[in-house]
Amino acid sequence: SAVISQKPSRDICQRGTSLTIQCQVDSQVTMMFWYRQQPGQSLTLIATANQGSEATYESGFVIDKFPISRPNLTFSTLTVSNMSPEDSSIYLCSVEVQGRLAGDGEQYFGPGTRLTVT
Amino acid sequence: LAKTTQPISMDSYEGQEVNITCSHNNIATNDYITWYQQFPSQGPRFIIQGYKTKVTNEVASLFIPADRKSSTLSLPRVSLSDTAVYYCLVGDWMDSSYKLIFGSGTRLLVRP
Repeated sequence: SAVISQKPSRDICQRGTSLTIQCQVDSQVTMMFWYRQQPGQSLTLIATANQGSEATYESGFVIDKFPISRPNLTFSTLTVSNMSPEDSSIYLCSVEVQGRLAGDGEQYFGPGTRLTVT
Repeated sequence: LAKTTQPISMDSYEGQEVNITCSHNNIATNDYITWYQQFPSQGPRFIIQGYKTKVTNEVASLFIPADRKSSTLSLPRVSLSDTAVYYCLVGDWMDSSYKLIFGSGTRLLVRP
């Protein structure tokens, strides 16, 4: 298992500014993921962050808007840049804990960061 | 990645068994089927995972028919605290990562 914390838990930001969200894990993990969840909606994968390499972004998400850092095996940051009200959402990080067999891993999620852009 | 389809919402009463069915017609050979539970203001929590037949743990059972094109999450004797959104996911290894793509989920309401 893995215990994940995120900072901040929530923030209210003005449009045009940037916010960096931190994700800390209590154990070393290879893969970390960043998701976005808009109110009442499902989760959308933003990117996959592998330690030591560039993050891999999903369709519709770009590095200039959502730069990600992964400096070590227990930590990652996601920055939401040049924010607009459309970026108001919950941002969650997750980590993968691999099982015994290929493909039977579990993902553990952080509590999320609730971002409101005014 | 396979797309999943599940009911948008379900209602139940305390003490009843709840079965949520998910279809994943395009599931690939390597795909596992995983269910997550999410309470308001929390991240999703892993419930159960299976590849075929039946899997049971302390909280739920997962039934997967031979063709694997659907799966059913069974929650025995639900309580009010089981009110949550339940997500069915399939995924496989891509770029050395087991990637999960969330569908719309099923919003379960358990009534007294």
